[in-house]
Amino acid sequence: DTAVSQTPKYLVTQMGNDKSIKCEQNLGHDTMYWYKQDSKKFLKIMFSYNNKELIINETVPNRFSPKSPDKAHLNLHINSLELGDSAVYFCASSIRGEAFFGQGTRLTVV
Amino acid sequence: SQQGEEDPQALSIQEGENATMNCSYKTSINNLQWYRQNSGRGLVHLILIRSNEREKHSGRLRVTLDTSKKSSSLLITASRAADTASYFCATDKGGGADGLTFGKGTHLIIQP
Repeated sequence: DTAVSQTPKYLVTQMGNDKSIKCEQNLGHDTMYWYKQDSKKFLKIMFSYNNKELIINETVPNRFSPKSPDKAHLNLHINSLELGDSAVYFCASSIRGEAFFGQGTRLTVV
Repeated sequence: SQQGEEDPQALSIQEGENATMNCSYKTSINNLQWYRQNSGRGLVHLILIRSNEREKHSGRLRVTLDTSKKSSSLLITASRAADTASYFCATDKGGGADGLTFGKGTHLIIQP
């Protein structure tokens, strides 16, 4: 069984569109995250959710909004997509510091 | 700002040799971890070392931590072709909700 699953795996869309990436974890972890990996493979945290409360927002544009309907889900909604948003987005959950990552969503904005 | 810096950025060795990667960080930490990322895949947790630990082993992996120098090393012994991947160190300040701060990674290539 997949521990952290995110969909879709690939997403190609035009500038200006609004899109969502879904994430679900079946590990029972209290904390979930979204990370962005750029073309140089640099990973940076975007958001952290703990028991449905936003803990961190690391200078991410407000076009990005995380939504957590329950403890097992943390979706990422992006408005007015820009070329610079092209990257791989990873969802993760953690317990005692160890993080479990999804397979990533490769977003390409054209 | 980036917390971790891996060194080297790329490493190519022959199968069977040992591979050593280093990581430096800037601020105080609670834990330091190493992750592996195969091409086009997510990150897989390899090993976690706490700030009060100096060395840890897991199978063919050996991690050291020197908090006075704010550095860590990952040694993979008897490398295999399947070890080809990017390796990242990541630090946290504790609490879990802060998330991880990653370095730029070392791309390791094991030549058969």
